[in-house]
Amino acid sequence: AQSVTQPDIHITVSEGASLELRCNYSYGATPYLFWYVQSPGQGLQLLLKYFSGDTLVQGIKGFEAEFKRSQSSFNLRKPSVHWSDAAEYFCAVGPFTGGGNKLTFGTGTQLKVEL
Amino acid sequence: DAGITQSPRHKVTETGTPVTLRCHQTENHRYMYWYRQDPGHGLRLIHYSYGVKDTDKGEVSDGYSVSRSKTEDFLLTLESATSSQTSVYFCAISPEQGYEQYFGPGTRLTVT
Repeated sequence: AQSVTQPDIHITVSEGASLELRCNYSYGATPYLFWYVQSPGQGLQLLLKYFSGDTLVQGIKGFEAEFKRSQSSFNLRKPSVHWSDAAEYFCAVGPFTGGGNKLTFGTGTQLKVEL
Repeated sequence: DAGITQSPRHKVTETGTPVTLRCHQTENHRYMYWYRQDPGHGLRLIHYSYGVKDTDKGEVSDGYSVSRSKTEDFLLTLESATSSQTSVYFCAISPEQGYEQYFGPGTRLTVT
């Protein structure tokens, strides 16, 4: 069965520091992988996606993620964090078997940025 | 941003009353979803639709029903609301090709 693990529930970084959020997945075939960001009181916004090809993908807001098949990981990175990056981040994998374009979401990592 | 709206955005209701939440899209996407978000649980799929009048259950469908009579509208109904259904509900849409999902702004539902 598909599953997604985000090991870090909370992460605190200083503004200007680099960031890496971890995501590990379990999936029986080549996965489609996604990172979403959710600001307080808002819906989820798609940051980036990996379908195939280059394992390093670029997204919006200066984020990137690297797909590592051997480690079943899809970690999100940013070289220099801004205070406005404080939010909750969700990793997702899909599609589910059985159709419907369904995704499995991790439980999220809450990012706090110290000024 | 994808054209997705949800109504109402906030609702307080009493235990035992019926509640209907509406999701409306302007993207003409085939797939639509209803999720609930609760602390510590992330997003959990309630029901989804793969076309007009075509729906199926997700992982937490008990106590919920859905309907989709038009491509653009997907309704979630709580037949008899319970306190355990207090949550934030998100609608999402997905195109036929690509698998990515786009989310609405959410509805905060409180059942007292």
